Amino acid sequence: EAQVTQNPRYLITVTGKKLTVTCSQNMNHEYMSWYRQDPGLGLRQIYYSMNVEVTDKGDVPEGYKVSRKEKRNFPLILESPSPNQTSLYFCASSRQGARETQYFGPGTRLLVL
Amino acid sequence: DQQVKQNSPSLSVQEGRISILNCDYTNSMFDYFLWYKKYPAEGPTFLISISSIKDKNEDGRFTVFLNKSAKHLSLHIVPSQPGDSAVYFCAASADGQNFVFGPGTRLSVLP
Repeated sequence: EAQVTQNPRYLITVTGKKLTVTCSQNMNHEYMSWYRQDPGLGLRQIYYSMNVEVTDKGDVPEGYKVSRKEKRNFPLILESPSPNQTSLYFCASSRQGARETQYFGPGTRLLVL
Repeated sequence: DQQVKQNSPSLSVQEGRISILNCDYTNSMFDYFLWYKKYPAEGPTFLISISSIKDKNEDGRFTVFLNKSAKHLSLHIVPSQPGDSAVYFCAASADGQNFVFGPGTRLSVLP
């Protein structure tokens, strides 16, 4: 089954404790992206990657890091989480190119205390 | 300032009637638009798209209309069904790859 998986699905952590949210897709997609969803703001893009070893900032990259060492994986790293990073996070992937449908993972709900 | 706006946070419609969800954008470079549907505890799923060379695109019960001069698009669902109850996101792109999303509209279809 074609899918985007994220782990963990739910996470409670404390300020400053480094964490990683994993994202994996099995569709051989070149393009992957991370979004955060906050009430009243919709989905905002954090980082995206056009292919292996190619990453770029989205609209709200501050406080986040990503890496793309393999085509299927695109982890999101919070080196020193803060309470304002409490949010619902979605990973998405698509084929490279314009107007390709993005497939979203199920989401990771993060609470930073 | 939000480039993509969905000014109705919520909408309730009777089953069988038409649902109209609206979306406005400010960036005139946007030329490709999507609607996504999201159920609780799931990721958004693609619903329908439209490019700026068209003013209408239809897929079954779902039709998207684009008014470029007004920078406005709308999603019509006819007839509405209880399974359509979800949050609907409008998204716009200038390069067809990276999208700006609106805040979403929660649609409730009442039996």
